Amino acid sequence: DAGVTQSPTHLIKTRGQQVTLRCSPKSGHDTVSWYQQALGQGPQFIFQYYEEEERQRGNFPDRFSGHQFPNYSSELNVNALLLGDSALYLCASSMGLAGPDTQYFGPGTRLTVL
Amino acid sequence: DAKTTQPPSMDCAEGRAANLPCNHSTISGNEYVYWYRQIHSQGPQYIIHGLKNNETNEMASLIITEDRKSSTLILPHATLRDTAVYYCIVSRNAGNNRKLIWGLGTSLAVNP
Repeated sequence: DAGVTQSPTHLIKTRGQQVTLRCSPKSGHDTVSWYQQALGQGPQFIFQYYEEEERQRGNFPDRFSGHQFPNYSSELNVNALLLGDSALYLCASSMGLAGPDTQYFGPGTRLTVL
Repeated sequence: DAKTTQPPSMDCAEGRAANLPCNHSTISGNEYVYWYRQIHSQGPQYIIHGLKNNETNEMASLIITEDRKSSTLILPHATLRDTAVYYCIVSRNAGNNRKLIWGLGTSLAVNP
């Protein structure tokens, strides 16, 4: 058990709606990364938060936004949902921005957009 | 970021060693090699990482060639629970541009 928790585990939304996914990092970790994983594909990097700031971002539109709180937990928000946003959303935590980037993953949130 | 190449699938008999290869010919000197695995629809699980030297932990061994252009993950005594998709990833070890870039991985089937 890596200690990263995510909520909810499953979610069903309709096109155009907005969704918020939550992540609590492993104890002692201060960096949170979010990934999207479509069926049969490897995870795709969305963005990474450190010290409550977005430090880097993958190739995702502005409809995807996030936040990190002082306790290092994080939220991923997706606006104007599209059918193609249906995926497993993974949160990973790690320590700092230097040294090996060993990331520990949560179980994911399965989002279905109808 | 360096890209990796892995075979799409492999089979292994239960109790035997599973050797999963990975090519990363464009790896830079400041990039680590990471291995993760993902059991069906669960979150990926960290296995091991290395920079230059071979590494071993309770889960696996990582053998990196001297030129660092390829590596092999070894599961010494594979069990049915090791059936998963195994991802080999290279990532920088510092700076704001660190991120894990994932390919399609190797689907390992451990057979009884």
